[in-house]
Amino acid sequence: AQTVTQSQPEMSVQEAETVTLSCTYDTSESDYYLFWYKQPPSRQMILVIRQEAYKQQNATENRFSVNFQKAAKSFSLKISDSQLGDAAMYFCAYRSAWNFWLQDYGGSQGNLIFGKGTKLSVKP
Amino acid sequence: KAGVTQTPRYLIKTRGQQVTLSCSPISGHRSVSWYQQTPGQGLQFLFEYFSETQRNKGNFPGRFSGRQFSNSRSEMNVSTLELGDSALYLCASSLGAGPQETQYFGPGTRLLVL
Repeated sequence: AQTVTQSQPEMSVQEAETVTLSCTYDTSESDYYLFWYKQPPSRQMILVIRQEAYKQQNATENRFSVNFQKAAKSFSLKISDSQLGDAAMYFCAYRSAWNFWLQDYGGSQGNLIFGKGTKLSVKP
Repeated sequence: KAGVTQTPRYLIKTRGQQVTLSCSPISGHRSVSWYQQTPGQGLQFLFEYFSETQRNKGNFPGRFSGRQFSNSRSEMNVSTLELGDSALYLCASSLGAGPQETQYFGPGTRLLVL
């Protein structure tokens, strides 16, 4: 079974500075998707960025970028120019690229597997 | 477009009761997934529905069940509530059920079991 590990329960960053959140995962599959979700105090999960495993290029969304190291099974999130609104829980998630048409692909595979999260604080 | 909506937002029940939570996906989305979030276990997958069919189910007891209607709205039901069922229940919708589909989450229903 796949697992996702976020080794930093809490992180802190000064406003306008850069912070990197770590995520490692364990899988024997070669094709999958990785995500970073943000959950602010309002509790609504918001997609920050996604990465397809078959793409070598690291995904970027404005101030958010990832460092995807497939061989090392590492997927870190870099937040540049941190803002007060970035304060939240950040979850790394894995999703297997299963064959939709395989009717016997049961169990919990094919859906998001989350890490325990990293609580990010932003200091003014 | 309106986002994923979940009702009710807060719920208090007592042990042994049952509860039904509702999720309305983004218009046009046909897949709905449910997750349970607790401080101890984190986010855990409950089940996924696509076109009224349960596609996947997580490792939860049979007390947890769900269904999806023809308009893609989904409900989940928990019977014989236990204290450990207290959690934030999140619903997520996506256009299709393929792994490339991005899941968009609702605000969640916070369930407290006394």
